[in-house]
Amino acid sequence: GDSVIQMQGQVTLSENDFLFINCTYSTTGYPTLFWYVQYSGEGPQLLLQVTTANNKGSSRGFEATYDKGTTSFHLQKTSVQEIDSAVYYCAMRDYGNEKITFGAGTKLTIKP
Amino acid sequence: EAAVTQSPRSKVAVTGGKVTLSCHQTNNHDYMYWYRQDTGHGLRLIHYSYVADSTEKGDIPDGYKASRPSQENFSLILELASLSQTAVYFCASSERDSNQAPLFGEGTRLSVL
Repeated sequence: GDSVIQMQGQVTLSENDFLFINCTYSTTGYPTLFWYVQYSGEGPQLLLQVTTANNKGSSRGFEATYDKGTTSFHLQKTSVQEIDSAVYYCAMRDYGNEKITFGAGTKLTIKP
Repeated sequence: EAAVTQSPRSKVAVTGGKVTLSCHQTNNHDYMYWYRQDTGHGLRLIHYSYVADSTEKGDIPDGYKASRPSQENFSLILELASLSQTAVYFCASSERDSNQAPLFGEGTRLSVL
């Protein structure tokens, strides 16, 4: 069945460090891929999404490229700030499918 | 403004008791979902619905029932609450278009004692 893999459960960085969060997916279909961000005490909110293979999504300095060849959708940011501390979820929704599958989440902590 | 509202925001229940979590959306979305959030497991789908008066099982439906009496409302029911159901529960809604991202509520923190 469909699955989304995020191996990094926790990431700790200092301000201005480079961020890379790994995400790979498995499906037989043609998914739309998402990154969600969840701040403490809130619900997940959409950070960015990409519908078409080989396209890049970006928002608030974060980027992710839909790589169909390696079935990956890694999240990157050049220079993180303390306000970026949150939990980040990779997710996918397959074409014609009502279900959205989420990864296990990555808790990002930025030290000032 | 698009919104998904959950109630209550937190609840303490006793083992074996009945718990109902409610969700209301004002987005005119066809799809509604209930997810459970646990550390290390991320968000796991319990039940979902794509039309009023119909519900579907998600990936972890055991111990939960769902009800969709109208397009706007979707409830999650724990008939016999257990300790293992202590978690944060999120409701979400989405358009039918598979390119659309679901919109989440603020969550309900449930503690079963």
